[in-house]
Amino acid sequence: DAKTTQPPSMDCAEGRAANLPCNHSTISGNEYVYWYRQIHSQGPQYIIHGLKNNETNEMASLIITEDRKSSTLILPHATLRDTAVYYCIVRVPDYGGSQGNLIFGKGTKLSVKP
Amino acid sequence: GAVVSQHPSRVICKSGTSVKIECRSLDFQATTMFWYRQFPKQSLMLMATSNEGSKATYEQGVEKDKFLINHASLTLSTLTVTSAHPEDSSFYICSAGTLGVQPQHFGDGTRLSIL
Repeated sequence: DAKTTQPPSMDCAEGRAANLPCNHSTISGNEYVYWYRQIHSQGPQYIIHGLKNNETNEMASLIITEDRKSSTLILPHATLRDTAVYYCIVRVPDYGGSQGNLIFGKGTKLSVKP
Repeated sequence: GAVVSQHPSRVICKSGTSVKIECRSLDFQATTMFWYRQFPKQSLMLMATSNEGSKATYEQGVEKDKFLINHASLTLSTLTVTSAHPEDSSFYICSAGTLGVQPQHFGDGTRLSIL
């Protein structure tokens, strides 16, 4: 089972910031938080990941609370093309020759509206 | 960013046919490749994990004799759905990853329809 909980759906106005929350209250000390999104009928697209510090890249920002029990993905200026299902996943990197699995929950369906 | 190519994107075939799906990491060497299945309006379900040169590890409930996985090189993995039936119709997605914290990257999926 997925170790994260997300709201099933959210709406956002085009041009506004989209803030997608994720709860991972049972996260362990060596687990990273990864965010992916899936646009209809496509494979998931990697967005961002982090351990405990806030992270930013060209797509989004990731804010992780100090206790690491929750995080928020921020799309600063949402466009219609950002409409997708967003998945928050926690995972332990495996340095022993194989990579840890990604366990997908149900995600948040973000609808960006004009 | 990293690119994973999956082919074909769509397959329609008759019941009893075997179907092969290819997954290639185009600009990096993948230590591990993963195969997922996604039914309509559901999330991705991991089917199996494969490392180059070794046997795949299948998730509980996934028949290894039906879903044959070959991981011949660090850039290519194949999934063969043997003797496919209508209930095997689904969206199959591969991903490829490297060691450590770097993220997995996904192909665009293969929509398999068995008539």
